[in-house]
Amino acid sequence: DIQMTQSPSSLSASVGDRVTITCRASQSISSYLNWYHQKPGKAPKLLIYAASSLQSGVPSRFSGSGSGTDFTLTISNLQPEDFATYYCQQSYSTPVTFGGGTKVEIK
Amino acid sequence: EVQLVESGGGLVKPGGSLRLSCAASGFTFSSYTMNWVRQAPGKGLEWVSSISSSTSYIYYADSVKGRFTISKDTARNSVYLQMNSLSAEDTAVYYCARDPNTSGWSDDTFDIWGQGTMVTVSS
Repeated sequence: DIQMTQSPSSLSASVGDRVTITCRASQSISSYLNWYHQKPGKAPKLLIYAASSLQSGVPSRFSGSGSGTDFTLTISNLQPEDFATYYCQQSYSTPVTFGGGTKVEIK
Repeated sequence: EVQLVESGGGLVKPGGSLRLSCAASGFTFSSYTMNWVRQAPGKGLEWVSSISSSTSYIYYADSVKGRFTISKDTARNSVYLQMNSLSAEDTAVYYCARDPNTSGWSDDTFDIWGQGTMVTVSS
């Protein structure tokens, strides 16, 4: 199975900040990488697919980059509704696997 | 409105069985691969199983293989997860999730999620 490692596991940031979360795959996954966020008690929501494509309806302050084994999710101008846990997920091979999550908290 | 609604969760004793259901609405259910993804309390996400639009392709995580069975009823716009030989390690919120690809293949991406149903395995 492909292991997905996210860093950091948590971070504190303020409204308006630029936040970067990284995800590393244990082997090359090309651009088969998705990003989700999840608020407490809610289902995950797809933000970015295929490493850099913005899901319909997702604000443009979210962006993704990377290929191969290293990927980045960037949130520019952090908004109050962005405080959540973020997960990366590889869609390169079955079983699909998720990163351990990055909790973005209010500073 | 595109929607997935899970049901069937609850408290079950170790070794017991449970059947989860996921009712889809607002889209052409027969065209999509459907998945189950679970999340243990305070933990991350774990993919459990998928069934292709044609039901020709069915996959399971190793952790549930041989114990769980996924199925779908296109007439009822529903996907199911039969869970047998449950253990405490199966305690989790179980989400139904849609794959956005309608070509017959799977993107292994989850664009629509249900609200989840809690399964607790405890004596």
